[in-house]
Amino acid sequence: GQQLNQSPQSMFIQEGEDVSMNCTSSSIFNTWLWYKQDPGEGPVLLIALYKAGELTSNGRLTAQFGITRKDSFLNISASIPSDVGIYFCAGPNYGGATNKLIFGTGTLLAVQP
Amino acid sequence: SAVISQKPSRDICQRGTSLTIQCQVDSQVTMMFWYRQQPGQSLTLIATANQGSEATYESGFVIDKFPISRPNLTFSTLTVSNMSPEDSSIYLCSVEAPLETLYNEQFFGPGTRLTVL
Repeated sequence: GQQLNQSPQSMFIQEGEDVSMNCTSSSIFNTWLWYKQDPGEGPVLLIALYKAGELTSNGRLTAQFGITRKDSFLNISASIPSDVGIYFCAGPNYGGATNKLIFGTGTLLAVQP
Repeated sequence: SAVISQKPSRDICQRGTSLTIQCQVDSQVTMMFWYRQQPGQSLTLIATANQGSEATYESGFVIDKFPISRPNLTFSTLTVSNMSPEDSSIYLCSVEAPLETLYNEQFFGPGTRLTVL
């Protein structure tokens, strides 16, 4: 079945640094979603991408929909301590009657003040 | 986005017992989903809760273990039955974005952290 692999698995950075993470799939996705999960909370949607090549920003966050439709990238500029959390990519599995989401393996981000 | 609440937020249960988790949405939604997140892992879809019909379960999840109710368009429950320590996880409900957005975005509740002793 479809799988989403994220890298790196974890990152430990200094406040102010930029961060890059990516998500790859063995099959094509028509939508890419990026979520952030704070400790003890549910995932919160950060950015949604709908077209190959699309580049979308949300504050200090920028995400891109890969041209091959098999990958996506998330960048965070000038990281701050509240960026700490787990970042998940997700995409809809169009098999079946509902658009079920498949989640990536996650990237844990730790920011040192 | 929809506002989603879950009860309880956390619980510690004994092996062999059952726990029912409630999910309430502040607006009517067609699709509600239940996910499991095992410690240190990603989210795995358990089932899709359909109003007026039986839930649709993913491979590896069965109705006897995870019965689901969906009595109306704003509420759903998930029961974790005959619990064992392996059921210790965060259980999350989510809803699909309103139809008028035309997209596949899902919004999540805060989760229920379950520990089984």
